[in-house]
Amino acid sequence: QKEVEQNSGPLSVPEGAIASLNCTYSDRGSQSFFWYRQYSGKSPELIMFIYSNGDKEDGRFTAQLNKASQYVSLLIRDSQPSDSATYLCAVKTTGTYKYIFGTGTRLKVLA
Amino acid sequence: GAGVSQSPSNKVTEKGKDVELRCDPISGHTALYWYRQSLGQGLEFLIYFQGNSAPDKSGLPSDRFSAERTGGSVSTLTIQRTQQEDSAVYLCASSPQSGGPTGELFFGEGSRLTVL
Repeated sequence: QKEVEQNSGPLSVPEGAIASLNCTYSDRGSQSFFWYRQYSGKSPELIMFIYSNGDKEDGRFTAQLNKASQYVSLLIRDSQPSDSATYLCAVKTTGTYKYIFGTGTRLKVLA
Repeated sequence: GAGVSQSPSNKVTEKGKDVELRCDPISGHTALYWYRQSLGQGLEFLIYFQGNSAPDKSGLPSDRFSAERTGGSVSTLTIQRTQQEDSAVYLCASSPQSGGPTGELFFGEGSRLTVL
């Protein structure tokens, strides 16, 4: 079992719809969870992080964390073609240094 | 510069040659990471530096890979006797801290290595 798992996609959604990206992790000691966006040929950039159970909202983005189910998700409301990218989930245990990344989900927002 | 700088951006080499990849982190960032990203794959952790020391080198794929960091700043990743499977984008990231819960990684643009 991979430490951090994501569906590789592509996930295709129409413009204006909600895109839902999911990530599961295996280490119950994981404390911090990050979503990075990576455009083709570019480096990853941080969108959001979350470390408490529940929802965290930032503009059109909402991160959801359920530690009991070892599940973290990213919702993108009012999806735009410019949101088309690969979204990487990363997991970290507090007090350690290592960020473990999933393989990413490719999102396509159709105009 | 304001961001993480990596060089070269592209490197094409012949199998068996040695290559050096350089990373200049954001000033003041004590933590520095090297990741490798193969085509269509996620980020594979290679090595982490806190200051000049590397507490964990277990991510390095083989003994052909080595890395160092000097002055708590610039890092060099060296690959000896390159093989075709070494072809990938090598990403460097820095962070102002490594142990906290919310430390963000700031990535460079990567060095794309192609081994012929």
